Amino acid sequence: EIVLTQSPGTLSLSPGERATLSCRASQSVSSSSLAWFQQKPGQAPRLLIYDASKRATGIPARFSGSGSGTDFTLTISRLEPEDFAVYYCQHYGSARTFGQGTKLEIK
Amino acid sequence: EVQLVESGGGLVQPGRSLRLSCTTSGFTFGGYFMSWFRQAPGKGLEWVGFAGPTSRGGTTEHAASVKGRFIISRDDSKSIAYLEMNNLKAEDTAVYYCARGNGWCDYWGQGTLVTVSS
Repeated sequence: EIVLTQSPGTLSLSPGERATLSCRASQSVSSSSLAWFQQKPGQAPRLLIYDASKRATGIPARFSGSGSGTDFTLTISRLEPEDFAVYYCQHYGSARTFGQGTKLEIK
Repeated sequence: EVQLVESGGGLVQPGRSLRLSCTTSGFTFGGYFMSWFRQAPGKGLEWVGFAGPTSRGGTTEHAASVKGRFIISRDDSKSIAYLEMNNLKAEDTAVYYCARGNGWCDYWGQGTLVTVSS
């Protein structure tokens, strides 16, 4: 089973800044099987990115995904107040595994 | 508008069973895989399994952690997906989400809380 490790665990930034979140896989994964989700307290996860770099419907252009092999990145180009949340990466191969999450908090 | 609504959660004793439902609307249910996920209190997300459309063989897969105890099924005529949970354990306590898809899931329900406790 592929293990996904996200870093940092917590990221403290201010609105307007750029956020870079990392997701590292324990072995190489197909870039067509990596997604990113945003989750706010008390809410269901929201799909942001699928196939490593494709934005889901309705997701603002400030969100972008990149990477291949074992290293993937979610970038939020300019943070808006509503972007502060927990972010998860997910691999959807033979088993669907999630990273442990990165909490993006207001500095 | 795509909607997924989970129901059936609640407090249940260890060893007992519970069936969750995911009632959907706003899309052609029979054309999509449906997945279940869970999230223990204060923890991350865990995939539970999925069920494919009946018209495409109705393939199901379950995570190793629940295989043999949980069964995912669906009724395409009613646009409902089910998660039958048997021999429940304290570690099954979580919010259970249904979602559309079997790889990346684009629509999720609001979740239903299952608490396993005596």
